[in-house]
Amino acid sequence: EVQLLESGGGLVQPGGSLRLSCAASGFTFSNYAMSWVRQAPGKGLEWVSLVSAGGPSTYYADSVKGRFTISRDNSKNTLYLQMNSLRAEDTAIYYCAKKAISKTTGENYFDYWGQGTLVTVSS
Amino acid sequence: DIQMTQSPSTLSASVGDRVTITCRASQSINSWLAWYQQKPGKAPKLLIYKASSLESGVPSRFSGSGSGTEFTLTISSLQPDDFATYYCQQYDSFSLTFGQGTKVEIK
Repeated sequence: EVQLLESGGGLVQPGGSLRLSCAASGFTFSNYAMSWVRQAPGKGLEWVSLVSAGGPSTYYADSVKGRFTISRDNSKNTLYLQMNSLRAEDTAIYYCAKKAISKTTGENYFDYWGQGTLVTVSS
Repeated sequence: DIQMTQSPSTLSASVGDRVTITCRASQSINSWLAWYQQKPGKAPKLLIYKASSLESGVPSRFSGSGSGTEFTLTISSLQPDDFATYYCQQYDSFSLTFGQGTKVEIK
């Protein structure tokens, strides 16, 4: 059974940093690209970032480019999101999501999602 | 970035109704479109990919159609479990984008 378990969320002051983790199990983690998607309270889904299966290729939404860094450790089956220079508008539930298709460059849609971790940016 | 616009934003319907949600892209995305269902407090669930392919395990009352810039998600006979918010997502480019969502409410 595929499981994705996010952790690392919490309350942080504007300008602060936070590192999210997503522990994956139930599939061959190193074969799949992974992504972070967020949802502000009462709002819709916003894609944040994606990392390729092997990790060398990363992609970001313009809203987080230069502030967030996605990475993965395939030996630990874990996905990360390092978030720096946090702003109030970064307040959201952050979901990690598994790409549905392995070993392809495109076709980036997601078949499994974690339950999310809440990040609150407030003074 | 490719903008995705869903309509309507909210839809009131009854059990047994046929429901259609529209998603329009700001430029052609071929058939690179997915649909998700999200219930309150839960993660999104994949329903449809490549515009019209049904994800394994998803009831056949859900169907998708369209290509280019206009897409639809249809629920042929609305069931109590289907009251939720639905999102489209384009994956034509590496800058992925979602529609703003359509909430399906009980009439």
